[in-house]
Amino acid sequence: EPEVTQTPSHQVTQMGQEVILRCVPISNHLYFYWYRQILGQKVEFLVSFYNNEISEKSEIFDDQFSVERPDGSNFTLKIRSTKLEDSAMYFCASSRTSGGVDTQYFGPGTRLTVL
Amino acid sequence: GDSVTQMEGPVTLSEEAFLTINCTYTATGYPSLFWYVQYPGEGLQLLLKATKADDKGSNKGFEATYRKETTSFHLEKGSVQVSDSAVYFCALSDKANAGNMLTFGGGTRLMVKP
Repeated sequence: EPEVTQTPSHQVTQMGQEVILRCVPISNHLYFYWYRQILGQKVEFLVSFYNNEISEKSEIFDDQFSVERPDGSNFTLKIRSTKLEDSAMYFCASSRTSGGVDTQYFGPGTRLTVL
Repeated sequence: GDSVTQMEGPVTLSEEAFLTINCTYTATGYPSLFWYVQYPGEGLQLLLKATKADDKGSNKGFEATYRKETTSFHLEKGSVQVSDSAVYFCALSDKANAGNMLTFGGGTRLMVKP
């Protein structure tokens, strides 16, 4: 069964450094998402992406964050200058269609630790 | 804005016990409702979904009915197994929202003892 993959599984970085989290969505999916889960808290939406554009973003997704689909398979989340509070599990997801009814398939997550 | 509230855990049950995890929602539009499950060390997996009022989603012995009158989507299973131990997340997606974002509840940890 097709699945969403994410690399790395764990990333440790120093405060102020840039990190890039990578995701490979399911191949025939057109909509892509990033979510994060701070330890012990809710899963929070960051951004959705379709047709090489951001469809929607949350208040969390400020200027330090950016997303990109650099080629036909990868979908990346860049955090420009990491802060301690960016430490979280970051989940990538993809769906075939939009409209609020289609299932979003999640990857296993990247645990980001900012020291 | 949209929100999802689910019962806090952990919920501890013996094998073969009946499970209910409560979930209620508020939404301005016409949401689809989902239950996701997260097993230890893994990502979120869709367990079941319902896209309109009175729909029942079911999978692996779990079921939930979309109740618009009570804005609820409670998860039930008649006989839990040790392998059902996981964190369960209720979520909604507002169909009126072009970005298709999921709004999650806080998660409920289920522990099933042999």
